[in-house]
Amino acid sequence: AQTVTQSQPEMSVQEAETVTLSCTYDTSESDYYLFWYKQPPSRQMILVIRQEAYKQQNATENRFSVNFQKAAKSFSLKISDSQLGDAAMYFCAYRSSNTGNQFYFGTGTSLTVIP
Amino acid sequence: DAMVIQNPRYQVTQFGKPVTLSCSQTLNHNVMYWYQQKSSQAPKLLFHYYDKDFNNEADTPDNFQSRRPNTSFCFLDIRSPGLGDAAMYLCATSRDGGYNTDTQYFGPGTRLTVL
Repeated sequence: AQTVTQSQPEMSVQEAETVTLSCTYDTSESDYYLFWYKQPPSRQMILVIRQEAYKQQNATENRFSVNFQKAAKSFSLKISDSQLGDAAMYFCAYRSSNTGNQFYFGTGTSLTVIP
Repeated sequence: DAMVIQNPRYQVTQFGKPVTLSCSQTLNHNVMYWYQQKSSQAPKLLFHYYDKDFNNEADTPDNFQSRRPNTSFCFLDIRSPGLGDAAMYLCATSRDGGYNTDTQYFGPGTRLTVL
């Protein structure tokens, strides 16, 4: 099975500043999908951003962008102009395009936003 | 609004007393997932349905069962809950489990307490 590693259990950022969350993954596949999910305290997990591995261009969604380095198997999330509402647990996830329907999740990074 | 609904949001059961958690979706997605998430950990996939096809993860205990009577509903049955089964249980759906980029949509979760 594929493994997803988030090496930063906790991160903090000053409001309005930029923070980058790291994610690496291990796979032998060439085609797959990567996701960042956000889970606020006691609230629903929601999709932040996703990236298709065959696309070279990094995905961007408003203040959220990724740095996808396929060769390095790295998929970091950059949050610009951090807001208090960005405080949450962030999970990186991998999904194969070829085998099964499973999503593999990292262990998460807890982001604190300091006013 | 189309969504994934989980009932109840909080469930308390006694050690060894069977319990059923419910998930419904109005998205008409053909794949439904059940995850177990313990505090500060990544969601752990228990099983999923692709339409009526049931797919069990190899390390899911036999104590956990699932039913999907129709497209909209999926149930998680815990036959004899132990203290270690106390967790948040997340239901998720995706549109097509095959070869498409596919995002999972999560319900709000059911927090299970075992006394």
